[in-house]
Amino acid sequence: DAGVTQSPTHLIKTRGQHVTLRCSPISGHKSVSWYQQVLGQGPQFIFQYYEKEERGRGNFPDRFSARQFPNYSSELNVNALLLGDSALYLCASSLGVLGGGALDSNQPQHFGDGTRLSIL
Amino acid sequence: AQSVSQHNHHVILSEAASLELGCNYSYGGTVNLFWYVQYPGQHLQLLLKYFSGDPLVKGIKGFEAEFIKSKFSFNLRKPSVQWSDTAEYFCAVKWKNGGSQGNLIFGKGTKLSVKP
Repeated sequence: DAGVTQSPTHLIKTRGQHVTLRCSPISGHKSVSWYQQVLGQGPQFIFQYYEKEERGRGNFPDRFSARQFPNYSSELNVNALLLGDSALYLCASSLGVLGGGALDSNQPQHFGDGTRLSIL
Repeated sequence: AQSVSQHNHHVILSEAASLELGCNYSYGGTVNLFWYVQYPGQHLQLLLKYFSGDPLVKGIKGFEAEFIKSKFSFNLRKPSVQWSDTAEYFCAVKWKNGGSQGNLIFGKGTKLSVKP
C-alpha cells in the first residue's frame, strides 16, 4: 500500500509569494495533519483536518490555511511568504476514528516524506 | 504550556554500546507517548508507542521505552546499538485534553551517530 504522499518534493519561492503544498493520505485514513519542521527542531503542529473540517490549529499566523477535499487529500496554503517560512512541511495521516465528538487519539500518525520549502 | 524535552542533542556511540535517550514532558494529565525515528533521507517512522497498561513498551528493531508517570518521562533504550541505528530520534506526546487539540507535540530530536 502507498504511504502518505506529498508534492512537490522541493520548492523554491521568493518573499511575498504564496505556495500550495499537497498531501494524499494513506488509503482509508480520514484525518490529515500538517507540521512544520525547521532545521534543528522537531515538527511543530499547524493544522488537523477530519472529514473536511478543521479539528485543530497550532500557533501559526493567518497566512497559513488549509483545506481537505472529499477524497481526504489536503492542501496547505501559505501567503505572503517570509524567510522564516523556510522549512520541511510534513503531512501525517491517521484513521481518525471519531468517538464522543472527539477524534480518537489512540491512532498513530503516519508521516510523508515532506516538502522542502526554501524562501529566497 | 505543553512541551517535550529531549536532553541530548547529539549522541555518539560505538557499535554494541547501550543506548538511552531521555524524554520528559511538561505536565501530567492523560497522555499518549511516541518515539519516532528518521533515518537519513527517509520520512518519520513510528518506533513505538504507549497508550496504557504495561509501562515498558517494546518497539521495532529491538528498541524499548519505559513510561514513568511520576517523572513525566518516557526514555528510549536499546541494549546494543548497530551502525544502522544512526538516525534522528524524536519523542512526541499527545495530550488527550488541553490546548494541543490532541495533536503531537514533538521534542527537538536527538541525533544518534553509531561508529562502526
